[in-house]
Amino acid sequence: QQQVKQSPQSLIVQKGGISIINCAYENTAFDYFPWYQQFPGKGPALLIAIRPDVSEKKEGRFTISFNKSAKQFSLHIMDSQPGDSATYFCAASNQAGTALIFGKGTTLSVSS
Amino acid sequence: GAVVSQHPSRVICKSGTSVKIECRSLDFQATTMFWYRQFPKKSLMLMATSNEGSKATYEQGVEKDKFLINHASLTLSTLTVTSAHPEDSSFYICSARVGTPYNSPLHFGNGTRLTVT
Repeated sequence: QQQVKQSPQSLIVQKGGISIINCAYENTAFDYFPWYQQFPGKGPALLIAIRPDVSEKKEGRFTISFNKSAKQFSLHIMDSQPGDSATYFCAASNQAGTALIFGKGTTLSVSS
Repeated sequence: GAVVSQHPSRVICKSGTSVKIECRSLDFQATTMFWYRQFPKKSLMLMATSNEGSKATYEQGVEKDKFLINHASLTLSTLTVTSAHPEDSSFYICSARVGTPYNSPLHFGNGTRLTVT
């Protein structure tokens, strides 16, 4: 119930392409869904976050799509660049549990 | 933006010794900080929630006597790995939330790479 399932485990995208990472959850009490970007040897950095009262949120080249009925959300990276190569984690939390529950991560490689 | 500073970034210690890792919120006060552990190419596993002025809350399976957490002020939490063993070698990352609401942004430090020889 507390798990957040993330796919794919790894992703290779050509420069300029669209990177799509998907996450699914079971706990319907989750109501905060952030995405984090992590470079090797660094801590995760908050990229973008969404609440279930909206179906989409866009910040620059990054978009979160949220499907409440399917209990799924995804990250879309438009015009992917080599600098986007990193590990991406989805996460979820709710008011009852203040800590974030993370997905297993997706390693993105953008080829130039 | 909010900055969470973690020190040291890397530490190597001998088996049986103890190591202290510091986590500071530099430009905001954090009543709650979270400690995560990350194995190579793996996800972040929550170890414990550090509460200022009270005892930490540990996740199931985390030995509280081995991983001592102290949150003595609104800007500092420490994690002490006691009697370290090679299996404790890992990447430890702290985080703190800006603001009280559970859905306020959670910011992470840059982690501490612990190697126990």
